[in-house]
Amino acid sequence: DAGVTQSPTHLIKTRGQQVTLRCSPKSGHDTVSWYQQALGQGPQFIFQYYEEEERQRGNFPDRFSGHQFPNYSSELNVNALLLGDSALYLCASSLLQARSNQPQHFGDGTRLSIL
Amino acid sequence: GQQLNQSPQSMFIQEGEDVSMNCTSSSIFNTWLWYKQDPGEGPVLLIALYKAGELTSNGRLTAQFGTTRKDSFLNISASIPSDVGIYFCAGHHDYKLSFGAGTTVTVRA
Repeated sequence: DAGVTQSPTHLIKTRGQQVTLRCSPKSGHDTVSWYQQALGQGPQFIFQYYEEEERQRGNFPDRFSGHQFPNYSSELNVNALLLGDSALYLCASSLLQARSNQPQHFGDGTRLSIL
Repeated sequence: GQQLNQSPQSMFIQEGEDVSMNCTSSSIFNTWLWYKQDPGEGPVLLIALYKAGELTSNGRLTAQFGTTRKDSFLNISASIPSDVGIYFCAGHHDYKLSFGAGTTVTVRA
């Protein structure tokens, strides 16, 4: 039973570039959430996707966008990269049951470094 | 936004000791969760709590959902070397998780 998988594991970009990160949810899960974790801090919620639509968004600019595909996998896109975007980007999946989310399970993240 | 205060920020443990950490919030949560994160990995779910006052165990771990729905604690009994890592509390509300800053647990030499 595969857990949440993310790719790539590491990525180096320069300021102003664009990046796409990918996530495959745990088998049986239909909801994907993305989080940004800066060094020494807890994860911060970016947004959540369910039924291919953004359902909830945290306090992140429009440079951060996403997509969910019919097979429930998801992408996180970040445009016009800034040095402050350097972080571990985590994907979490869950199952929507009875109008509430079950616990979220995390992948191992993509470490993004901006030079 | 919701702020979770997690304490202590760090702790040193001796093998065999019992360990306790807690989390408080200015907001009410419907669910409290505790995760552990090891270097280079994502957070792993340890315990989920769904009801105020609920006390749940998972092996040597015990967690409680505070009656005010604004706090939770996690206890680790008889700690072992593999308990080192960063422990995060998270409150679940309105589809998203809000995390504390973590408690770093290190083994005392």
